[in-house]
Amino acid sequence: GAVVSQHPSWVICKSGTSVKIECRSLDFQATTMFWYRQFPKQSLMLMATSNEGSKATYEQGVEKDKFLINHASLTLSTLTVTSAHPEDSSFYICSASSGRYYNEQFFGPGTRLTVL
Amino acid sequence: GNSVTQMEGPVTLSEEAFLTINCTYTATGYPSLFWYVQYPGEGLQLLLKATKADDKGSNKGFEATYRKETTSFHLEKGSVQVSDSAVYFCALRHPLGQGAQKLVFGQGTRLTINP
Repeated sequence: GAVVSQHPSWVICKSGTSVKIECRSLDFQATTMFWYRQFPKQSLMLMATSNEGSKATYEQGVEKDKFLINHASLTLSTLTVTSAHPEDSSFYICSASSGRYYNEQFFGPGTRLTVL
Repeated sequence: GNSVTQMEGPVTLSEEAFLTINCTYTATGYPSLFWYVQYPGEGLQLLLKATKADDKGSNKGFEATYRKETTSFHLEKGSVQVSDSAVYFCALRHPLGQGAQKLVFGQGTRLTINP
């Protein structure tokens, strides 16, 4: 149990376009989902925390208009990178948690975004 | 603020060698501490955790003890295998009331085990 999926696993897009990444909890209802960004050979940086049905809480320095997060249901959160630029290229990872699992975070496999 | 510092990698060992990956933290209050592992091409998986001082987390032959006096949570394994090759992340979770549930990660340590 406690499986989290992400789609797509990788995406290449042109500069100026928008890209949507989905994060799904497959076998549990996630009250909270988290979005991280991981640069090559570096740690994970928390971008935002989202609770189902409410607005996401962004970390300091993360542009909320640039990285749109929607947590419309207890099993799905989406991250949309708007007007993507090459500096947005990165590995994006989501996680999901639930009180059922004592709020442990379960991580998705990640999405590699490359902006040309 | 809360932070986690890991020993820099990469670390390369021979099979059956003893492994230690150092991790120290800075936090107010009493955080929970975690080790996550990321195998090539996969997401992070929880390896072990400890929620209070002197707790020892263990899994798959790995161990780590929550040392409040030295603010450390070093990862150890007595005899590593090639399949242990991965990136290991130390992390802390804020105590209740301080952005609870948020994880703060160390920079990760890449481990390679040679046969």
